[in-house]
Amino acid sequence: DSGVTQTPKHLITATGQRVTLRCSPRSGDLSVYWYQQSLDQGLQFLIQYYNGEERAKGNILERFSAQQFPDLHSELNLSSLELGDSALYFCASSTAGGPREQFFGPGTRLTVL
Amino acid sequence: GENVEQHPSTLSVQEGDSAVIKCTYSDSASNYFPWYKQELGKRPQLIIDIRSNVGEKKDQRIAVTLNKTAKHFSLHITETQPEDSAVYFCAASPTGTASKLTFGTGTRLQVTL
Repeated sequence: DSGVTQTPKHLITATGQRVTLRCSPRSGDLSVYWYQQSLDQGLQFLIQYYNGEERAKGNILERFSAQQFPDLHSELNLSSLELGDSALYFCASSTAGGPREQFFGPGTRLTVL
Repeated sequence: GENVEQHPSTLSVQEGDSAVIKCTYSDSASNYFPWYKQELGKRPQLIIDIRSNVGEKKDQRIAVTLNKTAKHFSLHITETQPEDSAVYFCAASPTGTASKLTFGTGTRLQVTL
């Protein structure tokens, strides 16, 4: 158990819908990262937040957005869902913003039908 | 941006043999190189990492080497065991507070009896 929690574990929805994935980092960790893992794209970095502020952005679609709240939990919002958005979404956290070990949560498996 | 290439994509070894996985990176600003192990359906877990001011690091049966000039780093697993069977990902991260990980495409290691 890494100490990072993610809810829900599984999510099944239809194309065009909107979902919210939630992540709680390890106690004391200020940085939260979101990654998407699909069969054909591997692990792709989406976005990083540090102490409430966006710090880095990867290949995140405009239909996706995220935020980190004052209690440091983070939410990833996915809208206008397409079949290709089906993937495992991981959240990770680390103590600070610099390069160091990132602890991954168990992931949310999103299936878009 | 950073691009990480990883080889081989699959690797089958007999129990007790050694396994070597190689990665190259493109961005000379990268200075942190972790290796993650991911078992089927589970989260990625850090097994070893190395920073650019170090050429080699060892932890029991696992070692990582880094050649900054050639921009490549390798994972060495000795005396492989069946429980080493998993997918292994290399990654690279730049210096600074925007510490997103760029992952390689993964190596599926199968240790046979």
